[in-house]
Amino acid sequence: AQKVTQAQTEISVVEKEDVTLDCVYETRDTTYYLFWYKQPPSGELVFLIRRNSFDEQNEISGRYSWNFQKSTSSFNFTITASQVVDSAVYFCALSERVSWGKLQFGAGTQVVVTP
Amino acid sequence: EPEVTQTPSHQVTQMGQEVILRCVPISNHLYFYWYRQILGQKVEFLVSFYNNEISEKSEIFDDQFSVERPDGSNFTLKIRSTKLEDSAMYFCASGSGTPNQPQHFGDGTRLSIL
Repeated sequence: AQKVTQAQTEISVVEKEDVTLDCVYETRDTTYYLFWYKQPPSGELVFLIRRNSFDEQNEISGRYSWNFQKSTSSFNFTITASQVVDSAVYFCALSERVSWGKLQFGAGTQVVVTP
Repeated sequence: EPEVTQTPSHQVTQMGQEVILRCVPISNHLYFYWYRQILGQKVEFLVSFYNNEISEKSEIFDDQFSVERPDGSNFTLKIRSTKLEDSAMYFCASGSGTPNQPQHFGDGTRLSIL
């Protein structure tokens, strides 16, 4: 069963527009971590953010912000004022207490930012 | 900042041949992982390794695959008899094992099976 669902396959925006990436997860654990990773065209995986299941406080870091809602099992990610360098595939991932360390990734969302 | 290094960056192998992918995890990390990403698809967990043994493996990680930490610094993934469908990017990762610390990923090895 799919543990992490990223329904958006691709999002195209023009530079300076905001873009929000959706992530819905499924777990029976009460303790878990959620992550966002970025994969630029060069292929490496870049860690962006993690949140544990007890911390629903949303956060802003520069142009990035996160919206974690346990009630809807969602962990959405927003890039404000997008730039061409933000063009990448973004993956949401889940790590459950029953299996710490095993990251379960969503299918990814391709973000294309055009000038 | 310390990083996970993987070699080679690209490996081309004939079908049926054995291949060994190498990784040097971050030195004070205790947990090691391999993930696979078929082109255009999601990243999939293969195996986790701790205290010189496999702690968890996915259904992808069948008898063709094995992992080893031969010398205390390298962490290897061996595929015994490669198939065309083994073509993918293979990522190594290491971690401290505490859930509040993210895994560190290497840049990956692109494996192409001909």
